[in-house]
Amino acid sequence: EAQVTQNPRYLITVTGKKLTVTCSQNMNHEYMSWYRQDPGLGLRQIYYSMNVEVTDKGDVPEGYKVSRKEKRNFPLILESPSPNQTSLYFCASSPRTGRDEQFFGPGTRLTVL
Amino acid sequence: SQKIEQNSEALNIQEGKTATLTCNYTNYSPAYLQWYRQDPGRGPVFLLLIRENEKEKRKERLKVTFDTTLKQSLFHITASQPADSATYLCALNKLIFGAGTRLAVHP
Repeated sequence: EAQVTQNPRYLITVTGKKLTVTCSQNMNHEYMSWYRQDPGLGLRQIYYSMNVEVTDKGDVPEGYKVSRKEKRNFPLILESPSPNQTSLYFCASSPRTGRDEQFFGPGTRLTVL
Repeated sequence: SQKIEQNSEALNIQEGKTATLTCNYTNYSPAYLQWYRQDPGRGPVFLLLIRENEKEKRKERLKVTFDTTLKQSLFHITASQPADSATYLCALNKLIFGAGTRLAVHP
């Protein structure tokens, strides 16, 4: 089944404790991205990647890191999480840049205390 | 700055009626616009894409229009059903998403 998977689905952590949210897609898509969704603000792009070893900042990259060492994986890293990073996070992938629908993962609900 | 606006208030309609959702944008000239459906606690699901040179696109009970002069897209669901109740998001190209409009279809 074609899908985007994220882990964990739910995470409660404390300020400053490094964490990684994994994202994997099995559709051989070139383009992957991370969004956060907050009430009233909609989806905001954090980082995106147009291919392996190619990443770039989205609208709200501060406090986040990403890597794209393999085509299928695009982990999101929070080196020192803070309470304002409490949010619902979505990973997405699409075949090509700028011309295709995006396939979203199920989301990761993160709470930073 | 670029801005995309969707009606933040929920839209309540009766089953069988046509639901019309609006997406307005400013300071942007998108090559295309997409509509997604999002159910509570789940990721958005792609519905339709319309390009700047297309006035209208249809898919089953769904219809999207795109007016680049007005900088507006309208999303219609005809013969609405309670199962259509969800939040609907519009997106310019694929970088800028609106906050979404919640649709509730009542039996």
